Amino acid sequence: SQTIHQWPATLVQPVGSPLSLECTVEGTSNPNLYWYRQAAGRGLQLLFYSVGIGQISSEVPQNLSASRPQDRQFILSSKKLLLSDSGFYLCAWATLPGLAGGWYTGELFFGEGSRLTVL
Amino acid sequence: DAKTTQPTSMDCAEGRAANLPCNHSTISGNEYVYWYRQIHSQGPQYIIHGLKNNETNEMASLIITEDRKSSTLILPHATLRDTAVYYCIVRASMYNNNDMRFGAGTRLTVKP
Repeated sequence: SQTIHQWPATLVQPVGSPLSLECTVEGTSNPNLYWYRQAAGRGLQLLFYSVGIGQISSEVPQNLSASRPQDRQFILSSKKLLLSDSGFYLCAWATLPGLAGGWYTGELFFGEGSRLTVL
Repeated sequence: DAKTTQPTSMDCAEGRAANLPCNHSTISGNEYVYWYRQIHSQGPQYIIHGLKNNETNEMASLIITEDRKSSTLILPHATLRDTAVYYCIVRASMYNNNDMRFGAGTRLTVKP
């Protein structure tokens, strides 16, 4: 079965410090990968998505970046955090129809989330 | 640019059916309606999706109006564990997740 893990689960960082959040997927190959952010009391905002190693698409210009060094690894980074970067960060994956097996629903599978507080 | 409109919050009594409405008046013919829910401090969870026909699975039923401009998610027997934020999403293709846009959703509170 497929699983997705992201870490750290919680972190508190000072303004101007760097950030690295990591996400890995197991049990599948060549997944599409996504980073979302959720500010307090708000909906989810798509930040980045990737359809393959080294292929990153950015949805919103900001001081964050993403990388995909391996097929099932997705990393969210920042060189200098801002107060506005605080939020709940979610990694997600989706498979392709040919790889889904069974009934394809087109659903996204989300990780447990990483709660970032920038002080 | 929100494609869907949902009430901010709703309450439901435990054991009763929860009916969550969603308006998507600008939906085009090939766009799908997806529902997810997010329990506090967890990632969203897929519930159900549909194109034109009503759909049912082990979690819920999805009723789409004939003109497809609105839909209703039905949880037939709500439990306390169904308390969550429910998102209605319109997307162009079930094969392209890059257009998954989550709005504010409806906060459903199931009360004993």
